[in-house]
Amino acid sequence: DVKVTQSSRYLVKRTGEKVFLECVQDMDHENMFWYRQDPGLGLRLIYFSYDVKMKEKGDIPEGYSVSREKKERFSLILESASTNQTSMYLCASSPPRAGYEQYFGPGTRLTVT
Amino acid sequence: QQQVKQSPQSLIVQKGGISIINCAYENTAFDYFPWYQQFPGKGPALLIAIRPDVSEKKEGRFTISFNKSAKQFSLHIMDSQPGDSATYFCAASKRFNFNKFYFGSGTKLNVKP
Repeated sequence: DVKVTQSSRYLVKRTGEKVFLECVQDMDHENMFWYRQDPGLGLRLIYFSYDVKMKEKGDIPEGYSVSREKKERFSLILESASTNQTSMYLCASSPPRAGYEQYFGPGTRLTVT
Repeated sequence: QQQVKQSPQSLIVQKGGISIINCAYENTAFDYFPWYQQFPGKGPALLIAIRPDVSEKKEGRFTISFNKSAKQFSLHIMDSQPGDSATYFCAASKRFNFNKFYFGSGTKLNVKP
């Protein structure tokens, strides 16, 4: 069974703080993704990575950065958290080729006050 | 601009009824169309998926109907059950694109007992 784990289920941070969200997958997948989920907007892609140290911007990368130093781990960084980054953050992984399932973690509910 | 448009945003169905969720797309390069199911507090999980070389795919009570010429696809849930109450997302991906998904905005389904 594929397992994607996220470091926290719930997180509360203050405006201006640097925030790290960690994701680990155990299936040796090349691709990893970070999404944010907001009501009525679905899942929007922030960044993805197709290999170690490789990354590509998604649809809403502003205010975020990522790090992938090891194949199994993909980190999302909010350099200076703002209240409009309050959201559910979902990590996913998949094999490299198109047309395959993405496996999701349980999500991190981030609140920025 | 959302590449996959999903409707309705919410749906209430009586137990035993048919739930229908629709999605439309413009980009003819899409060639993989998955549906994801998400329960509260969980990450999305693949429910069923279709490729454009077939017009229908059925798995148990869940059926995807695909109309390539109209660029539309829909999820039908037959004999809907309260346990089907969840949020459903359609998605699409293109060949040779790192398995990047474009998600619809989601449909919250409530099946009344």
